Amino acid sequence: DVKVTQSSRYLVKRTGEKVFLECVQDMDHENMFWYRQDPGLGLRLIYFSYDVKMKEKGDIPEGYSVSREKKERFSLILESASTNQTSMYLCASSPAGGAGETQYFGPGTRLLVL
Amino acid sequence: GENVEQHPSTLSVQEGDSAVIKCTYSDSASNYFPWYKQELGKRPQLIIDIRSNVGEKKDQRIAVTLNKTAKHFSLHITETQPEDSAVYFCAASKTGGFKIIFGAGTRLFVKA
Repeated sequence: DVKVTQSSRYLVKRTGEKVFLECVQDMDHENMFWYRQDPGLGLRLIYFSYDVKMKEKGDIPEGYSVSREKKERFSLILESASTNQTSMYLCASSPAGGAGETQYFGPGTRLLVL
Repeated sequence: GENVEQHPSTLSVQEGDSAVIKCTYSDSASNYFPWYKQELGKRPQLIIDIRSNVGEKKDQRIAVTLNKTAKHFSLHITETQPEDSAVYFCAASKTGGFKIIFGAGTRLFVKA
């Protein structure tokens, strides 16, 4: 059974703080993704990675960076948190193969930036 | 750029009725169309998917249809039950691409 975990379910940070969101998957998946979910906007891709140390920008990468030093772990970094980054953040993973592979999601981290 | 539009944004049905959610996609190269269900407070989970080489796929009470010419696909839920209440997301992707483009979601309410 695929398991994707995220380091926190809820997080409260202050404007300007550096924020780390961690995601770990245990299925040896090559691909990992970070999305943010906002009401009425669906799931928007921030960054994804198809291999260790590889990263690609998604649709809304501004204000974010990522790190993938190990295959099972994909970190999302908010260098200087802002209130407009208050959102639900979802991590996902999928096996290699490009399109046509099911993405498995983590439980999400609800981030509030004050 | 690539886009997936989903309608309606909210859908309310009586228990036992059918529910239909429709999506259109912009990239004609898209060839994989998954549907995810997200219950309140939970993670999205795949419920059914369809590839471009078939026009319809069914799994118990849920079915998905695909019209490649019109670039739209639909989710059909028959005999709805209260536990079907959730947000449903359609999505599209293509061979050689890693990204899945999601629709904005449909919040389905099934009234008992």
